[in-house]
Amino acid sequence: RKEVEQDPGPFNVPEGATVAFNCTYSNSASQSFFWYRQDCRKEPKLLMSVYSSGNEDGRFTAQLNRASQYISLLIRDSKLSDSATYLCVVNEDGTASKLTFGTGTRLQVTL
Amino acid sequence: DGGITQSPKYLFRKEGQNVTLSCEQNLNHDAMYWYRQDPGQGLRLIYYSQIVNDFQKGDIAEGYSVSREKKESFPLTVTSAQKNPTAFYLCASSIRPSGSGRSSEQFFGPGTRLTVL
Repeated sequence: RKEVEQDPGPFNVPEGATVAFNCTYSNSASQSFFWYRQDCRKEPKLLMSVYSSGNEDGRFTAQLNRASQYISLLIRDSKLSDSATYLCVVNEDGTASKLTFGTGTRLQVTL
Repeated sequence: DGGITQSPKYLFRKEGQNVTLSCEQNLNHDAMYWYRQDPGQGLRLIYYSQIVNDFQKGDIAEGYSVSREKKESFPLTVTSAQKNPTAFYLCASSIRPSGSGRSSEQFFGPGTRLTVL
């Protein structure tokens, strides 16, 4: 089983739609969780950290479910500029130095 | 402006040649990392360093070497022993993990695309 699993997509949604991605992780000792955004042929950029209580940043909401070992990302009112690959990132074995990256979920927002 | 720079952006290498990728940061971060990304795969950790003059192997260190002589710099050498070096190489940095088991956010440079001819 992969340590971090994501649905590769693509998710094709119209502008203004709400879309949600889930990501499951295998190691219950993991303590840090992040969502990164990666545009085609560019470097990943931090979108948001995921806290136990969940967090919201504008149209983006991230949640953590430790019992079921998954994190989610909700994007409301999708924009064309949201089109990208979203990477789920988890620290490995509770090891602070090493992060494990999922393969990403591709989102395509259309007119 | 604070940030991470990588050079060159594109690099072509003949088989059997060693090549060194540059990574510099002025964020005053203690920790630095090297990843490679292949199509359809997640980032894989090659080497990381939490402090000057110290570094550890990641998951795919074979065929690579690094040095960390300065806090700002973490160059990666791709040696001829690396069997499949064509990939997108990403350097990242972060503040040093606190020791509580939590990781700090990592910030990435723009990457170097290496192609072996």
